[in-house]
Amino acid sequence: GQQVMQIPQYQHVQEGEDFTTYCNSSTTLSNIQWYKQRPGGHPVFLIQLVKSGEVKKQKRLTFQFGEAKKNSSLHITATQTTDVGTYFCAEESGGSYIPTFGRGTSLIVHP
Amino acid sequence: DSGVTQTPKHLITATGQRVTLRCSPRSGDLSVYWYQQSLDQGLQFLIHYYNGEERAKGNILERFSAQQFPDLHSELNLSSLELGDSALYFCASSVGLGGQRWSERSNEQFFGPGTRLTVL
Repeated sequence: GQQVMQIPQYQHVQEGEDFTTYCNSSTTLSNIQWYKQRPGGHPVFLIQLVKSGEVKKQKRLTFQFGEAKKNSSLHITATQTTDVGTYFCAEESGGSYIPTFGRGTSLIVHP
Repeated sequence: DSGVTQTPKHLITATGQRVTLRCSPRSGDLSVYWYQQSLDQGLQFLIHYYNGEERAKGNILERFSAQQFPDLHSELNLSSLELGDSALYFCASSVGLGGQRWSERSNEQFFGPGTRLTVL
């Protein structure tokens, strides 16, 4: 499948600061999904983006899909300690649904 | 709680052995996906079953096999185990086939708590 590059690998922030993670692909994506995995937990689906230029909000989380559908971002405003975890993007490949996950960005929030 | 159950939670075994991991999807979900998560490889898709039939294969080794039974539960069989097979194994379920783009939740997968496999 395609590869999505996710950056940064780690991000330390002070509680209250903003956080952004990026997913980039060299090819056009059909859609992109975002998951969150808390330490010791399992991935939890957050959202799927499908349309070019799409922006979706979930409380303090803002998800964007690039105009060319080659990149996506997840932005968290005013981080809280409950935001700690690893955020993954995932995209599907081809006709068969083969999800390919980015390596994830681990968010560490310091109180 | 996602509604997906996996057993066992932990498994410790020796190289060369064979183990079976079990997954029960959420009620009503026809799709089961298996993933391997290790520190150096991240979350890797292994295989997808839909209503008892294999739909897609990812980076699954030949030593690994899976099946989905008529009651929709699935088993992942790992044989001739090697040290490098130590990882977290997740299964996930979803309602449909995947590849659905009609809504922001249409490809939502629900992950189980995982089985941590340690090969010594």
